[in-house]
This record gives sequence, C-alpha cells and structure tokens, in this order.
Amino acid sequence: DAGVIQSPRHEVTEMGQEVTLRCKPISGHNSLFWYRQTMMRGLELLIYFNNNVPIDDSGMPEDRFSAKMPNASFSTLKIQPSEPRDSAVYFCASRTTGRGYEQYFGPGTRLTVT
Amino acid sequence: DQQVKQNSPSLSVQEGRISILNCDYTNSMFDYFLWYKKYPAEGPTFLISISSIKDKNEDGRFTVFLNKSAKHLSLHIVPSQPGDSAVYFCAASVVGAGNMLTFGGGTRLMVKP
Repeated sequence: DAGVIQSPRHEVTEMGQEVTLRCKPISGHNSLFWYRQTMMRGLELLIYFNNNVPIDDSGMPEDRFSAKMPNASFSTLKIQPSEPRDSAVYFCASRTTGRGYEQYFGPGTRLTVT
Repeated sequence: DQQVKQNSPSLSVQEGRISILNCDYTNSMFDYFLWYKKYPAEGPTFLISISSIKDKNEDGRFTVFLNKSAKHLSLHIVPSQPGDSAVYFCAASVVGAGNMLTFGGGTRLMVKP
C-alpha cells in the first residue's frame, strides 16, 4: 500500500502567485481531509470530502483557498493569490468509513510564500 | 477556543522508564479519542485509540487511559525507547459527526539513551 501521496513536498513561491497542492488518497478510502499545521494554530482542519463531495469547508481561511476532488483518487488545494501568512505545512489525510475513526496522513507539503 | 489541549509542550524521559503524555478536552460531546505520533518531515501516524465506552485500551507498549468525568486522557509508553522520540498529538471526535478530528497542540517527547 503506497499510503497517501502528496506533491510537491516543498513549494516556495512569491506573494501573489497561485499555488496548487495535490493529494492522492489511499485506494478504497472514501473520505479525504486537508489540514494545515502552523506554530501558532497547530493542526487545523481546512476541508473534508466524503465520496468526492465537500462536506465541511468551515475551516478554509478565506476565499483565496479552494479545494476540489474530481474523482476518488485525486484532490487539489489551491491558494490564489498566495500570501506570506499562508506559509505552513499542508497535510492531506484519508480514511474509510465504517472502520474506526483513524485517518491516514500523507507526508505533507511545506509551503513558503515570500 | 481550544477544545483539545496538551498543556505540556515537551517531555524528557530516560530510556526504559515510563512516558506519560496528557491531554484534556472541553467538549463533552467527544466520544472517540486517538493518539498520533509525528516524526520530523513526516505526516502524523496513527498510534492508538479509545472509545468513550472504555476507560483503557492497550496495544503493546502503548496504553491509553480515559477519564470521562475529568475530561482527561493520557498515553503511557512503557518501556520508553529512543525511537519513541517524536511529537505526540491527541485528537478527539464526535461519533457520527462527519469523521472530523480535533487535534491538540502536541507534546514533544524526547527519550534519552
């Protein structure tokens, strides 16, 4: 099992640029979560999908953030335009319903906006 | 408003001794709790969980204790090993409320050889 795959692992961009983070969940998992980890706020949930449908996006900080899940094996988190305060590690996680509540995390994308 | 709190940012323990990591929560609706371990440059990995219908769950060297009346849970690692050095997060969920987890701020455990 390949686990949750995220790309890129590191992203450095300038303020105002568009950033797209990618995630491939574990095959067979039907829930997908995007988290952001910062020193100030810890690990916070941004949005999650069930069966490719966004269920709760209340954690998305502002309209500059958007997420999509066009199919069961792919999701994107886009920031447009990016700002320095968006610098953080972004994690994607997935799980399958009906088997406990543990989520399986990818290795994360470290985003730096200068 | 932090619903899940880990008040100790760090803990240092000698190899072979017990490590006790603590977590407090405020939301009485939480009924499922998990512990994750995180190494640098990696994502959190699931360690152990407990349902609110239990007060203890054990898996090898790891035991989680839940005290619902105190809204407190703890993770015991016995014996501690240097490879256990990592950041530990507790997380809580409301069963049936969309699978969302609320995480604590983490505790960095250092196990000294």
